[in-house]
Amino acid sequence: NAGVTQTPKFQVLKTGQSMTLQCAQDMNHNSMYWYRQDPGMGLRLIYYSASEGTTDKGEVPNGYNVSRLNKREFSLRLESAAPSQTSVYFCATLGGGRTEAFFGQGTRLTVV
Amino acid sequence: EDKVVQSPLSLVVHEGDTVTLNCSYEVTNFRSLLWYKQEKKAPTFLFMLTSSGIEKKSGRLSSILDKKELFSILNITATQTGDSAVYLCAAPSGTYKYIFGTGTRLKVLA
Repeated sequence: NAGVTQTPKFQVLKTGQSMTLQCAQDMNHNSMYWYRQDPGMGLRLIYYSASEGTTDKGEVPNGYNVSRLNKREFSLRLESAAPSQTSVYFCATLGGGRTEAFFGQGTRLTVV
Repeated sequence: EDKVVQSPLSLVVHEGDTVTLNCSYEVTNFRSLLWYKQEKKAPTFLFMLTSSGIEKKSGRLSSILDKKELFSILNITATQTGDSAVYLCAAPSGTYKYIFGTGTRLKVLA
């Protein structure tokens, strides 16, 4: 029972390159979230998906797109990476009538 | 816009000290406030608080919520080096959003 799995764990991109961060959960949760974490900034919500087929913007959506492919998977895409997107990205899920979120192990992304 | 604010941003103490971390919130239709501990990787859940004045306790950690003054505190007594981490508070916002504070970075020196 893996919980929430994110791939990749580390990535270095050049400015202007694109990439997709993958997140999969086996917890049968409806809600999924993408956050970024920068020093001194806590976790800032990029996008979230309340259920399969729906997505909504969070606090810092610019430069990102998401896809809720099915109930299990929620991907985050950077179409043209910028150095300001250097961060640690976390995927999280919520559901089953519980209020605590469950997190993936994070992706450390560096854009040079 | 709903928000969660934590203080202090960072704290350095010595083993054995007691620390108090603060979290204030402004959340429409408030339902709950949660505390997480983050060491090197993903945050892990500590407490969920929904009612004022009821202390939640786990070992040396305890937390309480004041819904009148809109804040929560996390206390850690007899701190140990293993308590060094970032402590985050969070709250559900709106129907499906979930927002976090900036975190308090605690360093416990031996």
